[in-house]
Amino acid sequence: GDSVTQMEGPVTLSEEAFLTINCTYTATGYPSLFWYVQYPGEGLQLLLKATKADDKGSNKGFEATYRKETTSFHLEKGSVQVSDSAVYFCALSRGSYIPTFGRGTSLIVHP
Amino acid sequence: GAVVSQHPSRVICKSGTSVKIECRSLDFQATTMFWYRQFPKKSLMLMATSNEGSKATYEQGVEKDKFLINHASLTLSTLTVTSAHPEDSSFYICSAAGQGAFGSYNEQFFGPGTRLTVL
Repeated sequence: GDSVTQMEGPVTLSEEAFLTINCTYTATGYPSLFWYVQYPGEGLQLLLKATKADDKGSNKGFEATYRKETTSFHLEKGSVQVSDSAVYFCALSRGSYIPTFGRGTSLIVHP
Repeated sequence: GAVVSQHPSRVICKSGTSVKIECRSLDFQATTMFWYRQFPKKSLMLMATSNEGSKATYEQGVEKDKFLINHASLTLSTLTVTSAHPEDSSFYICSAAGQGAFGSYNEQFFGPGTRLTVL
């Protein structure tokens, strides 16, 4: 079945550092890929998405490129801020199939 | 993007009582709603999928008689935790997926979550 694997956290960085959170997936066909962010005490918010191979999703300085050859959708940001501290979830969805989420990666950014 | 609300945001109840959590899609028609439970180490567990006007589909291991889900309209789904016990304390999150202007089944819009504490 479908699966999403994220790197274990927490990821701890200093402000203005470069961020990468790895995400790889297993799925048949051509899934859509998503990154969601969850701030403390809140629900999940869609951060960015990509619906086909080589698409790049971007939002709020975050980027992720849909790499079908490596079945990856790594999240990157060039310069993180304290306000980026949150839990990040990678997810995939195939048409009418129920979306599959990774286990989430905590990001902690220190001033 | 679409807005999904949950009510209440936080509830504390005594063991043995029932608690109802509402999930509303405010600006689109949600043909499908999902209920998740989030455990302390942040992983999301899908509890059930509900389609408007039909019975919910529960994931394996989720007691349907304990977690009653009703999706009576295209904008409202409710989760009732019956005879709640301390082990039911958790963060419950709903999400909604619709068709049309605000997206396809692929994309879910999440509510802010409900923190349930059972004493």
